Amino acid sequence: EIVLTQSPATLSLSPGERATLSCRASQSVSSYLAWYQQKPGQAPRLLIYDASNRATGIPARFSGSGSGTDFTLTISSLEPEDFAVYYCQQRSNWPREFTFGPGTKVDIK
Amino acid sequence: EVQLVESGGGLVKPGGSLRLSCAASGFTFSSYSMNWVRQAPGKGLEWVSSISSSSSYIYYADSVKGRFTISRDNAKNSLYLQMNSLRAEDTAVYYCARLWNHGMDVWGKGTTVTVSS
Repeated sequence: EIVLTQSPATLSLSPGERATLSCRASQSVSSYLAWYQQKPGQAPRLLIYDASNRATGIPARFSGSGSGTDFTLTISSLEPEDFAVYYCQQRSNWPREFTFGPGTKVDIK
Repeated sequence: EVQLVESGGGLVKPGGSLRLSCAASGFTFSSYSMNWVRQAPGKGLEWVSSISSSSSYIYYADSVKGRFTISRDNAKNSLYLQMNSLRAEDTAVYYCARLWNHGMDVWGKGTTVTVSS
């Protein structure tokens, strides 16, 4: 089983600042990594797929990078609506499964 | 509009059963693999099960294997999750989600399952 670790657990920043979120896999997941944003009481929203591709309608301030075991989600300049919990997710071929990281909460400083 | 709507959640006693449904609209349901993902109160996301577009491939998380069964009816644009032998730790919001490029790009609003005596 592939385990995803996210850091930090909480990131306290101000609007306009840059956010850098990390996701590390216990073994290589190639580029099969996605990032989601979730706000309280809402379903998750796909931000990034295949490590670095923005999903439809996602603003350019969101970017993803990495491959293998180390991945980063960057929000270049935080907007008020970006304060939320962010999850990474991998898809492995054997065993065929999906795993989510524990999440990083980005809150207002 | 692309949409997924879950239903069938509720309160059930430990050891009981429940069947969740997910109605899809606005896209060609039969072309996509689908997933169930759950979220326990105050906790993170947990993948539960996946089914390929034609039901040829089905996968489960170890935590539900042998108790839950995923299925779909492409003629009805519907996804299902039959949950048996329910435990308190199955209490969660259950989401259905469409698989796309190794991620999940469309999600329903979820249905709440509470397992309690």
